[in-house]
Amino acid sequence: DSGVTQTPKHLITATGQRVTLRCSPRSGDLSVYWYQQSLDQGLQFLIQYYNGEERAKGNILERFSAQQFPDLHSELNLSSLELGDSALYFCASSAVVLGGGEQFFGPGTRLTVL
Amino acid sequence: DAKTTQPTSMDCAEGRAANLPCNHSTISGNEYVYWYRQIHSQGPQYIIHGLKNNETNEMASLIITEDRKSSTLILPHATLRDTAVYYCIVRVESFAGANSKLTFGKGITLSVRP
Repeated sequence: DSGVTQTPKHLITATGQRVTLRCSPRSGDLSVYWYQQSLDQGLQFLIQYYNGEERAKGNILERFSAQQFPDLHSELNLSSLELGDSALYFCASSAVVLGGGEQFFGPGTRLTVL
Repeated sequence: DAKTTQPTSMDCAEGRAANLPCNHSTISGNEYVYWYRQIHSQGPQYIIHGLKNNETNEMASLIITEDRKSSTLILPHATLRDTAVYYCIVRVESFAGANSKLTFGKGITLSVRP
């Protein structure tokens, strides 16, 4: 158990819909990262937040957005969903923003878009 | 971040040492070598990291060549539970938020046989 929690575990929805994925980092970790894992693209970094502020962006679509709240939990919002958005979405947290240290990953949310 | 090259797959017998190689010939002086693994579709799990000295922890040992162009992750006594995809990642340790992300390649699939 990494200490990072993600909800829901599974999500099935239809094209065009909007969903919200939630992540609670390990106690005390200020950095939260979101990753997407699809069969064809592998594990890809989406976005990083540190103490409520966006710190780095990866291959995140404009239809996707994220935020980190004062209690440090984070939400990833996916809108106008397409079939290709079906993937595993992982959240990770780390104690430092200095580019170092290990990241602890949650169990993931499996999104299926029908 | 420097790119890494890993074999696609390998196997080893239970109880034997598993030696997983990784090439990172373009690694820079300030880049660390990280290893993560992903068991089935679980969240990736941190194993170990190092800069130039060999490192050991309760999970594995990391041997980095003197020129730092390659490394080997050693699982001293592989078990069936070690069957997973192992990712070798090179990452700069810095203050820049953009370098906090992990860039995953395809990894090497380790199959431990009974």
